[in-house]
Amino acid sequence: DIVMTQSPLSLSVTPGEAASISCRSSQSLLHSNGNNYLDWYVQKPGQSPQLLIYMASNRASGVPDRFSGSGSGTDFTLKISKVEPEDIGFYYCMQVLEISFTFGPGTKVDIK
Amino acid sequence: EVQLVESGGGLVQPGGSLRLSCAASRFSISSYWMTWVRQAPGKGLEWVANIKEDGSQKFYVDSVKGRFTISRDNAKNSLYLQMNTLRADDTAVYFCAKSHLIGSNGDLQHWGQGTLVTVSS
Repeated sequence: DIVMTQSPLSLSVTPGEAASISCRSSQSLLHSNGNNYLDWYVQKPGQSPQLLIYMASNRASGVPDRFSGSGSGTDFTLKISKVEPEDIGFYYCMQVLEISFTFGPGTKVDIK
Repeated sequence: EVQLVESGGGLVQPGGSLRLSCAASRFSISSYWMTWVRQAPGKGLEWVANIKEDGSQKFYVDSVKGRFTISRDNAKNSLYLQMNTLRADDTAVYFCAKSHLIGSNGDLQHWGQGTLVTVSS
């Protein structure tokens, strides 16, 4: 199975500042069609997960443009340009290239 | 707005069975891959299984192979997870989810609220 790692595992951010989460996969997620099969999700306290980014860099509908995804192959990054208090929660990357799909361990984001 | 509502969770003894259901509304599941994801108490997310639009392909995480069966009834707009030979480590909230893109088995844009399965004697 493809193993996903994330760093940092915990992040405390001042509102208005930028934040960045790294996700790495044990195998390349780049398909021969040119797409990277990597999604980003956030799970806010007491809620179900929400899709933020799919195929590494495509923002899901309704997701604020302060969220962006980048990367290719085995290294990916989720950036929040200006963190807002509502952004607290656990952020997960997930590879959807090979069955079994696998999530990263999650990054806890809270507000200073 | 798209809605997914899970049901069927509860307390079951080790070795027992449960059948989870996920009722979809305001869209037709027949056009989408559907997925089950679980979350053990205080833990991260774990992909469990998914099923192709027409039910012709089904995939499972290794830990549930041979014990869980994913199925769907497109006429009833519902997804199911039959769970047999349950173990304590199956204790989790189980979410059903719908892919965003037609033909895609990732990009899980819509999720239900989850149903709690507790396996304990």
